Amino acid sequence: NAGVTQTPKFRILKIGQSMTLQCTQDMNHNYMYWYRQDPGMGLKLIYYSVGAGITDKGEVPNGYNVSRSTTEDFPLRLELAAPSQTSVYFCASRNANKQDEAFFGQGTRLTVV
Amino acid sequence: AQRVTQPEKLLSVFKGAPVELKCNYSYSGSPELFWYVQYSRQRLQLLLRHISRESIKGFTADLNKGETSFHLKKPFAQEEDSAMYYCALRGGSEKLVFGKGTKLTVNP
Repeated sequence: NAGVTQTPKFRILKIGQSMTLQCTQDMNHNYMYWYRQDPGMGLKLIYYSVGAGITDKGEVPNGYNVSRSTTEDFPLRLELAAPSQTSVYFCASRNANKQDEAFFGQGTRLTVV
Repeated sequence: AQRVTQPEKLLSVFKGAPVELKCNYSYSGSPELFWYVQYSRQRLQLLLRHISRESIKGFTADLNKGETSFHLKKPFAQEEDSAMYYCALRGGSEKLVFGKGTKLTVNP
């Protein structure tokens, strides 16, 4: 059981480039989340999804886009990378039952130069 | 709006000493609260959930609705407890919001 898988693990982007961070889960979870983790700032919610075809903004959505065409996949898109988007990105998923824990991916470390 | 506040960025204690990591929340509805832990070079993982009233690795946390707090406690800290601890709140919209985290260091 792979759980939540994120690719790539590391990436360096130039300002203005675009990229997609991939997230896949094999637990048939309804809910999926994208966070960014900055030193001293904790985890900030970027976007989340409560099921295929449904996405919603989190605390810091600007500069990002998401889609949820299947239950398994929840890619995060950066269209015009900026240095402020240098961060570690985490994807998580959880079941629809109350109090179910969220399972996290191993993270993607992104540097924008 | 949902908000989680962890006032201490860093907390350092000696092995065997009691430890308390503070968490306060802001939410108008009935919250669901969690503590997550991230050990060095590992994924974030669930430690406790308030509804279970469980004790995991000697840690407990009690939801105090009057003080809007969910502090994490352990009577005798161990070196292996050194990690980053995050308090999290889930509201009715299924948003799962985290605090800024507290880095706990347990010294020998």
